[in-house]
Amino acid sequence: GEDVEQSLFLSVREGDSSVINCTYTDSSSTYLYWYKQEPGAGLQLLTYIFSNMDMKQDQRLTVLLNKKDKHLSLRIADTQTGDSAIYFCAETFPSGSARQLTFGSGTQLTVLP
Amino acid sequence: EAGVTQFPSHSVIEKGQTVTLRCDPISGHDNLYWYRRVMGKEIKFLLHFVKESKQDESGMPNNRFLAERTGGTYSTLKVQPAELEDSGVYFCASSQSPGLDHHEQFFGPGTRLTVL
Repeated sequence: GEDVEQSLFLSVREGDSSVINCTYTDSSSTYLYWYKQEPGAGLQLLTYIFSNMDMKQDQRLTVLLNKKDKHLSLRIADTQTGDSAIYFCAETFPSGSARQLTFGSGTQLTVLP
Repeated sequence: EAGVTQFPSHSVIEKGQTVTLRCDPISGHDNLYWYRRVMGKEIKFLLHFVKESKQDESGMPNNRFLAERTGGTYSTLKVQPAELEDSGVYFCASSQSPGLDHHEQFFGPGTRLTVL
């Protein structure tokens, strides 16, 4: 299967940590991604993790991957109002040379002052 | 360096009309992808070009959709005739040649298509 699932909404207070969760079904995924979409803009790649890794940290962002449970999470530390956006997780499962992304529905993060 | 651009940003048409969306990828990127997000649902893959050739068009919903990439530069996606369920945001992305390693897809801002 190729389903990627995310919760639709998350609200946090400014300064708190945000955790956005994602589950996927395809165990042959090679890379898993987090994209951010701000209003009126395209998707911006935030970070990615290779499937043989458990964790990746990049400044305020921490990605955790549990391959056994097919669960991916994105933690944003010290969340700011500028972090308000839609966050999409995505996976690739290469088929030949085609590397299309399979996305979740996106999580709307709202940061409250 | 210019990013991926898409035109128009928004199109409103009536059912049965024809609409053509355009995508200009980042210069030098051989790979061009079209995706669509319908009614706040997941972003779904439509097709993938490598230069001017269609590498994978398994995501194209039906034969009312025609994508071209003549000359391997910009791409067009034509919907003819448009139906109500075609409404959504159409994203284009481009990337350099994929290898075994990660390669980033750069996305355009999308074209919001509304079919009335």
